[in-house]
Amino acid sequence: SAVISQKPSRDICQRGTSLTIQCQVDSQVTMMFWYRQQPGQSLTLIATANQGSEATYESGFVIDKFPISRPNLTFSTLTVSNMSPEDSSIYLCSAGAGAYEQYFGPGTRLTVT
Amino acid sequence: AQKITQTQPGMFVQEKEAVTLDCTYDTSDQSYGLFWYKQPSSGEMIFLIYQGSYDEQNATEGRYSLNFQKARKSANLVISASQLGDSAMYFCAMSQFMYSGGGADGLTFGKGTHLIIQP
Repeated sequence: SAVISQKPSRDICQRGTSLTIQCQVDSQVTMMFWYRQQPGQSLTLIATANQGSEATYESGFVIDKFPISRPNLTFSTLTVSNMSPEDSSIYLCSAGAGAYEQYFGPGTRLTVT
Repeated sequence: AQKITQTQPGMFVQEKEAVTLDCTYDTSDQSYGLFWYKQPSSGEMIFLIYQGSYDEQNATEGRYSLNFQKARKSANLVISASQLGDSAMYFCAMSQFMYSGGGADGLTFGKGTHLIIQP
């Protein structure tokens, strides 16, 4: 199984600012994913980050708001841009080397004031 | 589009009893994966069990088993001999499709079931 770390674990940000969340995997993985979990809700896939290509965004999520980088096979970042209180959520990254593997990082708890 | 339905928002179960958490899914894909995760109050997502659509045997992992009924499109999680530490949110999820090279796409999640184990 992959061990995934995220930084920061939590943050409180002012509206209009941006936050970059880092995700590090302890082994090389093909696929990395970013999810959002709004308060009291389930998880929603934001985008798939593949190394060497543009991220693929799900309906309702756009690159200008959630730019993603994937510079190598163990690392990815998600930026939440021009934040508003509605962006207050837990943001989680996940990774998997194979079809049966989707392990999650501990999440980043974001509060926007 | 894929869809996961969990019809039990909350469940109360006596300690040491077996628990079945319901999950039905909808997909037009022939090849897919089904996952169960546990999310305690700390917020981490803990992988419990996986079932591939072509797996003939039901998956088992310790006290967890997945009751996979493909024709009915159900993938219920069974927890045997429940413990107080099993109290958490449980999410059923589905991989959107599988690449021929072995990779899977991102997950579609159900709304979850809040399980509370009572002493």
